[in-house]
Amino acid sequence: DTGVSQDPRHKITKRGQNVTFRCDPISEHNRLYWYRQTLGQGPEFLTYFQNEAQLEKSRLLSDRFSAERPKGSFSTLEIQRTEQGDSAMYLCASSNQGGSTSTDTQYFGPGTRLTVL
Amino acid sequence: AQSVTQPDIHITVSEGASLELRCNYSYGATPYLFWYVQSPGQGLQLLLKYFSGDTLVQGIKGFEAEFKRSQSSFNLRKPSVHWSDAAEYFCAVGAGDTGRRALTFGSGTRLQVQP
Repeated sequence: DTGVSQDPRHKITKRGQNVTFRCDPISEHNRLYWYRQTLGQGPEFLTYFQNEAQLEKSRLLSDRFSAERPKGSFSTLEIQRTEQGDSAMYLCASSNQGGSTSTDTQYFGPGTRLTVL
Repeated sequence: AQSVTQPDIHITVSEGASLELRCNYSYGATPYLFWYVQSPGQGLQLLLKYFSGDTLVQGIKGFEAEFKRSQSSFNLRKPSVHWSDAAEYFCAVGAGDTGRRALTFGSGTRLQVQP
């Protein structure tokens, strides 16, 4: 079990540029989550996948944000036309739940710190 | 909607002293409750979780938490703090019985440990 990994760990970009982050969940975890954390705050939920299906999206996920999990394994989060307000830590988590009841536990990766200049 | 309040933004304790971090939640049904710890620039590490059953939950690194439904609280405790415990601690609530998977986090408590 290698844990959740995220790439890159740090990204500095100029306003208006597009950025893409990658998350590799714990192997065989069927659920994958994206959160955003700004300085001094707790993580805020962005979106969630079960296998390849995106089942839930937060209102925080504006039209400039898109997430995919094409084969039900790794996921990408893309931000188009970045704004300074997008500067934050983007956290990925994964969990495994085979049944319909939800007692699954989310395990987090190290995060990608985005700085928009 | 669920919410979490961590009333203490910053706590300082001496090494070897006991610790209690407060967490109050708001949720209409039985919550799923979690404590995570985050070191600077790092992701979140799960300390412990409560889903049901025994209201006193043991976690890693000598931490424990007690679920008190009547007080809507899930406070984290440790009998003797070590310098390595200095970090930010987040309480989170999940609403798994509704089918929603998102966790709602508090704003965190930063723990400083004095030698």
